[in-house]
Formats: sequence, C-alpha cells, structure tokens
Amino acid sequence: EIVMTQSPATLSVSPGERATLSCRASQSLSTNLAWYQQKPGQAPRLLIYGASTRATGVPARFSGSGSGVDFTLSISSLQPEDFAVYHCQQYSNWPPAFGQGTKVEI
Amino acid sequence: EVQLVDSGGGLVQPGGSLRLSCAGAGFTFSDYAMSWVRQAPGKGLERVSTITDTGRALYADSVKGRFTISRDTSTNTLYLQMDSLRAEDTALYYCAKAATGTYSIFEDWGQGTLVTVSS
Repeated sequence: EIVMTQSPATLSVSPGERATLSCRASQSLSTNLAWYQQKPGQAPRLLIYGASTRATGVPARFSGSGSGVDFTLSISSLQPEDFAVYHCQQYSNWPPAFGQGTKVEI
Repeated sequence: EVQLVDSGGGLVQPGGSLRLSCAGAGFTFSDYAMSWVRQAPGKGLERVSTITDTGRALYADSVKGRFTISRDTSTNTLYLQMDSLRAEDTALYYCAKAATGTYSIFEDWGQGTLVTVSS
C-alpha cells in the first residue's frame, strides 16, 4: 500500500501571505493526486485533482503542482476562510490513501 | 445540485452492529461509485469501503469480513452494515460520491454521522 506523508503538520501564516504545503508518496503516482480542504465541523471539500486541476468553483489562488512522488499545494494570498486542514490523497493504486493532513492556522 | 445526507450513527457496544445510510439526490445513483470514508477523532481520513458503478464491493483490510456496503438504486440510498464493531471503529463516517469515471476522487460528501463504539 502507498503511504502518503504531509508536511508540515501545522503551518502558521498570516492573512495575505502565501502558504506552501507538501505531500510525498512512498511510490510514484504519476499525477494521480487530489487535495481536499476541511474546515472545523465540516466535511472535506475537493480542491484539486490530477495534481493540478482545480475542482469546480475553487478559487484561482489555489494551485497544485508535482508528479511522481512529490506534490505541492500553494495558496497565494491567504484569505480568512482558507484557514483549515488540507489533506492529500493518492488514487494511483488501490486502495486509495490519504495523508495525515496539514493544518493551516493564523 | 448533488446532496448526500448521512444517518444511522450512534453509540454501540463492542461486538455490536449498526447500519449507516446515505440518501442521495441530484444525480443518477447507479452512474457513480460511492464510498464510505471515516475520520477517527483527531485523525486523518480513511476510505473504508467502495461500491463501484457496476455494483462491485471493495473494502479496506481493517473492515473486511465485518462491514458490508450496498446500495438501493431505486431509492438512491447507500448503506454500510457494520458488524462485530470494535473500539477502533469509532469515527465520523462520511459517504462520498466519486467523480465521473473514477472510483476514488471524492467529489461530493455527506455531512457525516458519528459512530461511537464503547461499553
């Protein structure tokens, strides 16, 4: 099974700053990687799939990059509503697997 | 608009059973793979079980032999029958609809239903 590792566990940033989150897979995924945003008390929301394609309605300040084993989610100019936990997930091999999440906090 | 409403959670003793339901609306149920994804308190997400668009059932090793996924396409309802429950099954359980043509890109989510396994 593929193991997903996210770093850092917690990222402290200020509104208006850029945030960069990392996700590493234990084996190559090509670009079969998704990112989800989860706010407190809410279900996850799909942000990015195919490593870099934004889901419907996702603002352009969210961007994904990477292929193989190393992936990045970038959030330019953080808005107050962006403070949340972000999960990466591989769907290259069965079973699909999530990372442990990165909490973006003020 | 896609809507998924989870229900059926509760407090159950170890070794007990529970059946979760997920009512779907706004899409043709049989056209999509559907999954149950759980989140233990303070932990990450774990895909528990998937039923494909063709009706094939897939399970995580941690629940194989204890959980059964099924669906009723006439009522657009997804189910998860959970037997022989253990303390480590305590979690918030979400149903999730996959994106078109995939099994594992979770495009839409229910609000979750809490399962607590404790004596």
